[in-house]
Amino acid sequence: QKEVEQNSGPLSVPEGAIASLNCTYSDRGSQSFFWYRQYSGKSPELIMSIYSNGDKEDGRFTAQLNKASQYVSLLIRDSQPSDSATYLCAVGGSQGNLIFGKGTKLSVKP
Amino acid sequence: DAGITQSPRHKVTETGTPVTLRCHQTENHRYMYWYRQDPGHGLRLIHYSYGVKDTDKGEVSDGYSVSRSKTEDFLLTLESATSSQTSVYFCAISEPWDRENKDEQFFGPGTRLTVL
Repeated sequence: QKEVEQNSGPLSVPEGAIASLNCTYSDRGSQSFFWYRQYSGKSPELIMSIYSNGDKEDGRFTAQLNKASQYVSLLIRDSQPSDSATYLCAVGGSQGNLIFGKGTKLSVKP
Repeated sequence: DAGITQSPRHKVTETGTPVTLRCHQTENHRYMYWYRQDPGHGLRLIHYSYGVKDTDKGEVSDGYSVSRSKTEDFLLTLESATSSQTSVYFCAISEPWDRENKDEQFFGPGTRLTVL
């Protein structure tokens, strides 16, 4: 059974700080990796995708992938209260589906 | 929500009643998925479709069936609803020919189903 593990949190950071979210996965053959943001009562929203080892930056977000360690992370710089949400890590599965972690709840305190 | 709608958005039904949830997309994406989201379990795949009339089972397919007669519509049916099927149901779409953004999925707004 392929698994994606995340720390459930809550992770609390002060406004303006860097939030670091981590994810590990079990299938060494995985090729695609995603971070979704989900506000309470809303649907998941794709914020980052990454396919190659290294860093990928998009605005205040940086995704980091290390396939050898089977590790994906998301850094949020200059965190804002509006970033408070649950962040879901997802890994591409063999059926074209995504395998999701249970999510990390982030709280950014003003 | 990337041109994806789900109906109904909320539904309360009784045990043993058949229920059909609809997902409609305007993006012409080939793949469509049904997930359920439950506390402590995260999002889990129920069924998916890789084209008109082409469907397959996911991780938690027992008690559910699907149909896709048109590219834009994907229906999820609970033949005889049970309390364990109380959940939030999300539809998602993806386009496998988009090699630059491979496997990216976009979600509909969700349907909150309560089975009493």
